[in-house]
Amino acid sequence: EAQVTQNPRYLITVTGKKLTVTCSQNMNHEYMSWYRQDPGLGLRQIYYSMNVEVTDKGDVPEGYKVSRKEKRNFPLILESPSPNQTSLYFCASSLGNSGTDTQYFGPGTRLTVL
Amino acid sequence: GQNIDQPTEMTATEGAIVQINCTYQTSGFNGLFWYQQHAGEAPTFLSYNVLDGLEEKGRFSSFLSRSKGYSYLLLKELQMKDSASYLCAVLDSNYQLIWGAGTKLIIKP
Repeated sequence: EAQVTQNPRYLITVTGKKLTVTCSQNMNHEYMSWYRQDPGLGLRQIYYSMNVEVTDKGDVPEGYKVSRKEKRNFPLILESPSPNQTSLYFCASSLGNSGTDTQYFGPGTRLTVL
Repeated sequence: GQNIDQPTEMTATEGAIVQINCTYQTSGFNGLFWYQQHAGEAPTFLSYNVLDGLEEKGRFSSFLSRSKGYSYLLLKELQMKDSASYLCAVLDSNYQLIWGAGTKLIIKP
């Protein structure tokens, strides 16, 4: 089944404890992206990647890191999480890099930082 | 700045028709998307408009007027499963997606 998977789905952690949220897609998509979704705000892009070893900052990159060593994987790293990073996170992928392709979203990771 | 406006919440009756509006002010325009998002789930693609006019897809239709910076999503023969948030997103001149905050649609029997 074609899909985007994220792990973990739920995570409660404490300030300053490094964490990684994994994202994997099995559709051979070029483009991958991380978003956060907060109440009353639209999806905000954190980082995106147009291909292996190519990553770029989105609208809200501060406090986050990503890597794209393989085409299928795009992990999101929080080196020192803070309470303002409590949010719902989505990974997404699309076939091409033009932006006009449909984005396929993972199921989401609900992160709480205490 | 770039801005996408949608109503926060709408209520409609099962079997009826509802129109969800989206207005945008962005630096350039390369298309507009509508996504559906059920509570606690991931957004899923509904439509993509880049030219003016109405595109129909079953019970759902999407309209675009580039000169007015305006789009709407029309849902006909509403079903309870249509209760969800509807997200409008515009692809700007840099081919970056700008997302609206979404419209929560509540369907009543």
